[in-house]
Amino acid sequence: DAKTTQPPSMDCAEGRAANLPCNHSTISGNEYVYWYRQIHSQGPQYIIHGLKNNETNEMASLIITEDRKSSTLILPHATLRDTAVYYCIVSAPLFTSGTYKYIFGTGTRLKVLA
Amino acid sequence: SQTIHQWPATLVQPVGSPLSLECTVEGTSNPNLYWYRQAAGRGLQLLFYSVGIGQISSEVPQNLSASRPQDRQFILSSKKLLLSDSGFYLCAWSGRTPYSNQPQHFGDGTRLSIL
Repeated sequence: DAKTTQPPSMDCAEGRAANLPCNHSTISGNEYVYWYRQIHSQGPQYIIHGLKNNETNEMASLIITEDRKSSTLILPHATLRDTAVYYCIVSAPLFTSGTYKYIFGTGTRLKVLA
Repeated sequence: SQTIHQWPATLVQPVGSPLSLECTVEGTSNPNLYWYRQAAGRGLQLLFYSVGIGQISSEVPQNLSASRPQDRQFILSSKKLLLSDSGFYLCAWSGRTPYSNQPQHFGDGTRLSIL
């Protein structure tokens, strides 16, 4: 089962900020939050990730609440090309190997409107 | 910079036929490699992962197998395809750090249809 909960769909006006929420109330202390987006028929594209501090890069900002039970991805100036399915993912360690896996939910379908 | 290649992009196969999907990574060494499958309208499900040559771990029982004959090559195979094997198959890689928080980077996938 997915460890995250996201709204199934959202609309955003072009040029405005898109704020995509995610709940991850069962997150463990060493688990990171990752955001990806997937445009139809393509592989998921990495956006940003964080542990407990807010993060910003050239694509987006990630705000994680102090209790780490939820986060928000912010696209500061949405464009039509940002229309995609956005996945919020909490990593799960694969302890026998030292690596980890992603547990995907169904994501949020963001539609940017002209 | 690192790149990941998957082929073919689309594939149509009859039930009972064999399968071989290939994934290669360039620009990095000793990556972690992953195979995922995405059913229509759903999120991705991890099928296999590999932390080194010849080291394969399976996450779900199924009709598929994986192999890693070279450091940057990951192959997904089946001896006899089932209708339920249809889907979008994605390969991913991640770098190695002591804390395992390196993000995974995905290829463009192979859309497999079984007739």
